[in-house]
Amino acid sequence: DAGVIQSPRHEVTEMGQEVTLRCKPISGHNSLFWYRQTMMRGLELLIYFNNNVPIDDSGMPEDRFSAKMPNASFSTLKIQPSEPRDSAVYFCASSPHSVYEQYFGPGTRLTVT
Amino acid sequence: RKEVEQDPGPFNVPEGATVAFNCTYSNSASQSFFWYRQDCRKEPKLLMSVYSSGNEDGRFTAQLNRASQYISLLIRDSKLSDSATYLCVVRGGNEKLTFGTGTRLTIIP
Repeated sequence: DAGVIQSPRHEVTEMGQEVTLRCKPISGHNSLFWYRQTMMRGLELLIYFNNNVPIDDSGMPEDRFSAKMPNASFSTLKIQPSEPRDSAVYFCASSPHSVYEQYFGPGTRLTVT
Repeated sequence: RKEVEQDPGPFNVPEGATVAFNCTYSNSASQSFFWYRQDCRKEPKLLMSVYSSGNEDGRFTAQLNRASQYISLLIRDSKLSDSATYLCVVRGGNEKLTFGTGTRLTIIP
């Protein structure tokens, strides 16, 4: 079975550039979560969707960050403009209805120089 | 105060030993509890759920103390492959999971 798929796996970009991270959740899962992980702050929830609708975006750091889920099989997290402090590993996770275990993708390691 | 607090370690433990981690949480209304495992440069994966009565999965035992708001994980007969970071995870009243920053464990041959 295919797990959660994320792309790209690594991204190096210069400050000020737009970055788009992509996620394909596990088929049939109706909840999708975007996390950011750093050494200092650990794993932080940025936003989550239920049935493609954003439910809680209180973790989105600022207006430079935006997320969309146009359909059940695809989501994007966009950072525009990017800054060096955005450097982190970004994980996408999905879970089925009424099941609280979350299945994580392999992550995107973002470096902003 | 952080919602979920863990001792970051590192814990360096000889192979075959028993090791225990604790975790405390601040929200008394929390409903579900988990331990996730994260290997170096990999994604977190569910290790086990934690039930009120305590539960065991092979060499792993998880306990929950609601009165004191802490969760524990015990690993018996530790193996080299147990080396990882162990994340304490708490769920409130919705689908959001709050992760601790993790406890790093290294099993020494």
